[in-house]
This record gives sequence, C-alpha cells and structure tokens, in this order.
Amino acid sequence: QKEVEQDPGPLSVPEGAIVSLNCTYSNSAFQYFMWYRQYSRKGPELLMYTYSSGNKEDGRFTAQVDKSSKYISLFIRDSQPSDSATYLCAMSALRGGADGLTFGKGTHLIIQP
Amino acid sequence: DVKVTQSSRYLVKRTGEKVFLECVQDMDHENMFWYRQDPGLGLRLIYFSYDVKMKEKGDIPEGYSVSREKKERFSLILESASTNQTSMYLCASWGRQGAKGTEAFFGQGTRLTVV
Repeated sequence: QKEVEQDPGPLSVPEGAIVSLNCTYSNSAFQYFMWYRQYSRKGPELLMYTYSSGNKEDGRFTAQVDKSSKYISLFIRDSQPSDSATYLCAMSALRGGADGLTFGKGTHLIIQP
Repeated sequence: DVKVTQSSRYLVKRTGEKVFLECVQDMDHENMFWYRQDPGLGLRLIYFSYDVKMKEKGDIPEGYSVSREKKERFSLILESASTNQTSMYLCASWGRQGAKGTEAFFGQGTRLTVV
C-alpha cells in the first residue's frame, strides 16, 4: 500500500506566523522523505530532503520525520507572502525512487500580508 | 544544480494525434519519472525508468507509453490523444548513487490540452 495522506487546505495564516504542514503514510518501508513547494503553473521545487527519522533545518524551514508514527512535518518560521504556494510531501522506500516516488495531494498555503 | 528540462511548456493537440513529450536531465541520474497532475487528484505516477531501455508502469499507465534509449532522455508518448489526457505533465529524475543524486528534481512541466 502506497497511500500518503495530506490535508489539501487551503491553510490561511497571517504573515510572520509559524506554519505546520503534515503528511501521514501507511507504508512502513518508506525511508526517504521530501518536501516540495509548487507555485501555480510551475514544476515542484525541492525544499527539504530527509532520510529516515529525525529533524533537518534549512533557514526558515524545518523538516521532521517520525517513522514510528508514520508522520512527517514541515515547519515554516516567520512566514512570508512569498511562501504562498502548494506544498507537496513525497516519499520512497528505495534510494533514487526505484520503487516510484509517492506523493501527497498537496496543501495549499496562503500567507496573508 | 540539477537541470531537468521538458521540451515544451504548453501544447495543444487534436484528439487522435500521437503526442511526444520529451524530458532531458543533465546529472547522469539513473531513475526518471513521468507524472500527471490534476486538480484534486495530485501527482499520479504514469511510468518510471530505472535504467536505459528499462521501464515500469506506475499507477495510471493506460493510454501512455515511454521510451528511454539514452540515460539522459525519457520520453512520454500518447499513442492516440484523448480529451481526458488534458493535464499538466511533470518529469522528474533522481540518482541512486552518491551525493549527486540524493533528491528528486522536477522539470517545469508541460501543460497539454487535447481538443
């Protein structure tokens, strides 16, 4: 089973707020996790990549993976209007996606100025 | 930076036409993917390839075929385009080996309209 669940939103927050985006999954074999940002009519842009459980921080973005709960999160601090986009989680059991990358349906995020 | 380039941003084709969507990556990645993206349905995997001349069906392969004659190029073929294949098509690549391929990267997408 490859199902990944992600709330489609829209999620609307004021500028400067901390944003929490989440995905749950059912396949315990997943161990490679990614977050993408997609602006309207553009291809997805890789934001964060994490292998197995743990946290990873890059600037205003923090990715968390809890494999025991099959739950991954992306936190955005000091959110900006330019962060308004659709955020997609993706995961794979095999390095390189040799089993095919599986995506959530995306959460539409709106940052209000 | 990894570059994944799709040959067209926008295409308009007629029902019944044979359509070729081309994707080229410049990072020597082994794995390449074709997805379509539709509102409310997210990204759905059509086909992927883990090596030259190798292909695997994804979740929605019906009506599509693929070709991978060279490592850097992965083509999606719509044998006889139909209106229900109107969609955004996205190509991605991901390498298996070493630091050069720890993440999957996408092209800019091809918005195909079949009339």
